[in-house]
Amino acid sequence: RKEVEQDPGPFNVPEGATVAFNCTYSNSASQSFFWYRQDCRKEPKLLMSVYSSGNEDGRFTAQLNRASQYISLLIRDSKLSDSATYLCVVNPPLRGNNRLAFGKGNQVVVIP
Amino acid sequence: DAGVTQSPTHLIKTRGQQVTLRCSPKSGHDTVSWYQQALGQGPQFIFQYYEEEERQRGNFPDRFSGHQFPNYSSELNVNALLLGDSALYLCASSGTPDYYEQYFGPGTRLTVT
Repeated sequence: RKEVEQDPGPFNVPEGATVAFNCTYSNSASQSFFWYRQDCRKEPKLLMSVYSSGNEDGRFTAQLNRASQYISLLIRDSKLSDSATYLCVVNPPLRGNNRLAFGKGNQVVVIP
Repeated sequence: DAGVTQSPTHLIKTRGQQVTLRCSPKSGHDTVSWYQQALGQGPQFIFQYYEEEERQRGNFPDRFSGHQFPNYSSELNVNALLLGDSALYLCASSGTPDYYEQYFGPGTRLTVT
């Protein structure tokens, strides 16, 4: 079973709409969770960390459900500049380890 | 403040050849990790270097090896290249081996023909 699973999409979203997607992770002892954004042919960049209580950063909201082992990302009022691939990332639970396990990514295309 | 830099940007090699990719970490960072990202996939962890030693390794064959220098820069070497090694190779640096926040370089795009 893969460490992180995501449905790659693409997710075609009208400008101004809301889009949400999830990913699941296999190791229930994982402690750190993130969403990274990757633009076409560029490196991944940290979008936001995901906390147990859920967190919001402007139009972006991340949630963590430990019982079901999934992480979600919601984008409100989508902008054309939000078009990118959103990578779900988990830090597996090994002491002294910051290896990141990535999902395939959710490709988002915001349409005018 | 310089971010993570990688060289070269692009590289074309033939099957069976060997390649060396280079990475300089972000200023103040001493830990370097390497990832391979095939087209349409998420990055896959290759290995991590700290204090000039390989600390962790992902599920990659011994054809993939690395090195870290006293100035914290790092090299990734791949021997006996296969077509399947074609990918974007990303270097990420962090302040310590167990601090989760990593900064990625722009990557080296390797094409094996």
